[in-house]
Amino acid sequence: DQQVKQNSPSLSVQEGRISILNCDYTNSMFDYFLWYKKYPAEGPTFLISISSIKDKNEDGRFTVFLNKSAKHLSLHIVPSQPGDSAVYFCAAVTGNQFYFGTGTSLTVIP
Amino acid sequence: GAVVSQHPSRVICKSGTSVKIECRSLDFQATTMFWYRQFPKQSLMLMATSNEGSKATYEQGVEKDKFLINHASLTLSTLTVASAHPEDSSFYICSVGGGRYGYTFGSGTRLTVV
Repeated sequence: DQQVKQNSPSLSVQEGRISILNCDYTNSMFDYFLWYKKYPAEGPTFLISISSIKDKNEDGRFTVFLNKSAKHLSLHIVPSQPGDSAVYFCAAVTGNQFYFGTGTSLTVIP
Repeated sequence: GAVVSQHPSRVICKSGTSVKIECRSLDFQATTMFWYRQFPKQSLMLMATSNEGSKATYEQGVEKDKFLINHASLTLSTLTVASAHPEDSSFYICSVGGGRYGYTFGSGTRLTVV
């Protein structure tokens, strides 16, 4: 049972534009959520997190939005840069359990 | 995507004992599995790539004799933390897949060494 879903396997965005990566979840008991970025042959790198009691967290070009009623999480990258091209994972955490989405491959076109 | 089961979800052990963590791919024949270590709200550190029927490939700085990996079948990889010490306390996560089918992660194992 996939508790965290990233329904878009890939996304292409022009450099300078906004990238929006989406994530849906089913368990309303998650404590917090994270976004990771992964380059080939490396482990996922932590990007940004958000507590379940917040609805927005911003860090530089990265903003995460949490819509609890819709059980939806999104990561906005603005402006997008070619170096942002990577696979992005969302993850949800409750207790000792991590639940990851399957990833969205972002390509930023120069 | 694949379904991955990781067990146990939590383990507390005494210093000096060994702990085995299992990662099972329930519906996907995984010739390769990945083992990560994570500290709270930090990046997942790739420890090693587990290869079915052959030796694991370890990342630089990861002790092969401390973190023993066995990938004996297409559905099971195990990570054994040998002679665990308190500094080994961490969260360990496995994953399978990649490429067009995406990645699937296990739910993780929290190891506490006392």
